[in-house]
Amino acid sequence: QKEVEQNSGPLSVPEGAIASLNCTYSDRVSQSFFWYRQYSGKSPELIMSIYSNGDKEDGRFTAQLNKASQYVSLLIRDSQPSDSATYLCAVNPYGGATNKLIFGTGTLLAVQP
Amino acid sequence: DTGVSQDPRHKITKRGQNVTFRCDPISEHNRLYWYRQTLGQGPEFLTYFQNEAQLEKSRLLSDRFSAERPKGSFSTLEIQRTEQGDSAMYLCASQGGPYSYNEQFFGPGTRLTVL
Repeated sequence: QKEVEQNSGPLSVPEGAIASLNCTYSDRVSQSFFWYRQYSGKSPELIMSIYSNGDKEDGRFTAQLNKASQYVSLLIRDSQPSDSATYLCAVNPYGGATNKLIFGTGTLLAVQP
Repeated sequence: DTGVSQDPRHKITKRGQNVTFRCDPISEHNRLYWYRQTLGQGPEFLTYFQNEAQLEKSRLLSDRFSAERPKGSFSTLEIQRTEQGDSAMYLCASQGGPYSYNEQFFGPGTRLTVL
């Protein structure tokens, strides 16, 4: 079982719709969770961090965390073609005993005009 | 632009040659990470520094790889006797500012191609 799993996609949504990206993780004591956006040929860009169960909103982005289900998601409202990118889920595992991040393979999002 | 810089941005080398990459983190950040990313994969952790101390190194990291952060500022990553399997994007991340303690910010990366 991979430590961080994401559906590779592509996830195709029409412009203006809500895009829902999902991620599961295996380490039950993980504390910190992050979403990065990566455009083709570029480096990852941090868009959201979440540490507590529940929702965290920042503009058009909402991160949701459920530690009991070991599940973290990212919602993008009013999706725009410029949101088309690969979205990487990252987890800081082992209860903070390490500072490294474990990444999923990413979900490719395609927003259709 | 996150404020993390990497040099060079691209490197093409022949198998067996040594290469060195540099990373300059955000100035007030005391933690620096190196990751490697291949096509279709997420970044994979290589090593981590807090100030000048190298505190963690991936078990997957070959002995051909070495990293330094001599004065707790910039860092270098050297790959000796490069192999074609070393071709990847090498990413540096910076962490530790007063308002974003746990968050890691990536530089633009160095894309290595080994012929």
